[in-house]
Amino acid sequence: KAGVTQTPRYLIKTRGQQVTLSCSPISGHRSVSWYQQTPGQGLQFLFEYFSETQRNKGNFPGRFSGRQFSNSRSEMNVSTLELGDSALYLCASSPRTDAFYGYTFGSGTRLTVV
Amino acid sequence: AQSVTQLGSHVSVSEGALVLLRCNYSSSVPPYLFWYVQYPNQGLQLLLKYTSAATLVKGINGFEAEFKKSETSFHLTKPSAHMSDAAEYFCAVSKETSGSRLTFGEGTQLTVNP
Repeated sequence: KAGVTQTPRYLIKTRGQQVTLSCSPISGHRSVSWYQQTPGQGLQFLFEYFSETQRNKGNFPGRFSGRQFSNSRSEMNVSTLELGDSALYLCASSPRTDAFYGYTFGSGTRLTVV
Repeated sequence: AQSVTQLGSHVSVSEGALVLLRCNYSSSVPPYLFWYVQYPNQGLQLLLKYTSAATLVKGINGFEAEFKKSETSFHLTKPSAHMSDAAEYFCAVSKETSGSRLTFGEGTQLTVNP
């Protein structure tokens, strides 16, 4: 059974640019969540999608957005990149919308903003 | 708001010694609780979870944790440390009523000395 796949693994962008990260959940999982991990702030929840609908959102500016497609694949977009957006972005999938089954995480996308 | 406190950002043990990583949560309702492990340049791997069933939870790689409501704790233990256990460990909490969002502790870096 394939795990959660995140692409790309590494990304270098310049301030002011925008970036799109992709996440393919485990087959059959309809919930996809995104987290940002930084040394200073730790792991922070960005948002969660289920059946193409955003169900939950963390405390991030509007520059951070996401979407989910009918095949449950998800993308997140960050516009007008800032140096502080440099982080490991993790995607997690689950069969349902609560935490009962826990979450399976991908290996992450390491974003560096220069 | 729910929160998670991990006591000790760094824990060092000798190979073969007991591993004890501490986690306390604050929640007004019984939560779901999780321990995740993260190896360098990788995502998070679920070690074990508590979802209101047995209070003593057994996970992968010989780890276990005990949910103690009276102490609001969910400490992670392993009887005998192995060199391969060296990693960062995260405790996380989710309330059934708040959907999928996981709130993570700040993490504990475990070092295993030969």
